[in-house]
Amino acid sequence: DTGVSQDPRHKITKRGQNVTFRCDPISEHNRLYWYRQTLGQGPEFLTYFQNEAQLEKSRLLSDRFSAERPKGSFSTLEIQRTEQGDSAMYLCASSHLDPFFGPGTRLTVL
Amino acid sequence: GNSVTQMEGPVTLSEEAFLTINCTYTATGYPSLFWYVQYPGEGLQLLLKATKADDKGSNKGFEATYRKETTSFHLEKGSVQVSDSAVYFCALTPNNNAGNMLTFGGGTRLMVKP
Repeated sequence: DTGVSQDPRHKITKRGQNVTFRCDPISEHNRLYWYRQTLGQGPEFLTYFQNEAQLEKSRLLSDRFSAERPKGSFSTLEIQRTEQGDSAMYLCASSHLDPFFGPGTRLTVL
Repeated sequence: GNSVTQMEGPVTLSEEAFLTINCTYTATGYPSLFWYVQYPGEGLQLLLKATKADDKGSNKGFEATYRKETTSFHLEKGSVQVSDSAVYFCALTPNNNAGNMLTFGGGTRLMVKP
């Protein structure tokens, strides 16, 4: 399978805990994006990498959120001190031209 | 800023009926336009796209035409099947060489009954 993969697929955590998600993009794609999708809504852009450089961050990305793409390949998204409002599907996409999406990580904060 | 507006769902149709899902957009310049589909329990899949005015994107019997004069990109299919039941998202990228992040509409759920 050469698509975008995300791990874990589901995460349940207690409020105040830290969580980290991983995204492995399609190997030849230099652009990588994170989006957040809440129930019944369209995805919203969070952040964007070109190779290892983080070039754009949405104002949705509070200081509790941090993303990295250390070698220009896989990326991680960390949420510190999770809140119930962070419960959502976190989607990763990669592109050379058109964005291709992974299956997402569903986060539930209790 | 950029925005995408879709008709609200759910849209419920009988098999073999004609489908239209309306999508209008607001953007500066000449965005690229996309339709993505999300089947139950799965991620977003690119369905079709158009990159300039009057282009028609098509795939799996679905089509949409980029209408700059009406800022629209309506999705159509002549005869829907039960397997088309999913959520459909209209989206745009600004084509400004600044990363081309997608702006999505709210999604339209399609339910096709046998």
